Amino acid sequence: DVKVTQSSRYLVKRTGEKVFLECVQDMDHENMFWYRQDPGLGLRLIYFSYDVKMKEKGDIPEGYSVSREKKERFSLILESASTNQTSMYLCASRTLYEQYFGPGTRLTVT
Amino acid sequence: DAKTTQPPSMDCAEGRAANLPCNHSTISGNEYVYWYRQIHSQGPQYIIHGLKNNETNEMASLIITEDRKSSTLILPHATLRDTAVYYCIVRVSGQGGSEKLVFGKGMKLTVNP
Repeated sequence: DVKVTQSSRYLVKRTGEKVFLECVQDMDHENMFWYRQDPGLGLRLIYFSYDVKMKEKGDIPEGYSVSREKKERFSLILESASTNQTSMYLCASRTLYEQYFGPGTRLTVT
Repeated sequence: DAKTTQPPSMDCAEGRAANLPCNHSTISGNEYVYWYRQIHSQGPQYIIHGLKNNETNEMASLIITEDRKSSTLILPHATLRDTAVYYCIVRVSGQGGSEKLVFGKGMKLTVNP
């Protein structure tokens, strides 16, 4: 079974803190993605990576950065967390046809 | 923007077949139909995909109309654990690089005992 794991299920951070969300997949997938999910807005793509050290902006990259130093790990970084970044964050990796999601991290910024 | 339309919700009795409709009237010839579902507080889960032929796997069947403008996901014997939001998505498959899955609002299926 493909497994995509995320470092935390729930996270509470203060405004201005630097936040790291980690995602690891165990199936040697090249493509990995970070989304956020908000009520009424669906899933929105933040960043994706199609190879180690390669990254591309998605639809809403502002306020975020990413790191892909190893194939299995894709990190999402909030440089200075703000309250409007309170959301559910979902990581995914994909094969040619299927995209596999992690369980999500519910981040609250206070 | 999502390229699909689904009813917002549907109820189904446990043990009965659940038929989930999706319209995708602007689908292109090289776009596949995908179905995902999201159970509360979990990440989306892939169910099935197809291009033009009907498809079946251990989870569900996918029936695509001949003109490919609509499809139906069939859960043959719905269980309470099938209660979830179901997303119908069209996208080009088999490409490297970006794959932006546009999920839309999906359809809430409630399976009742």
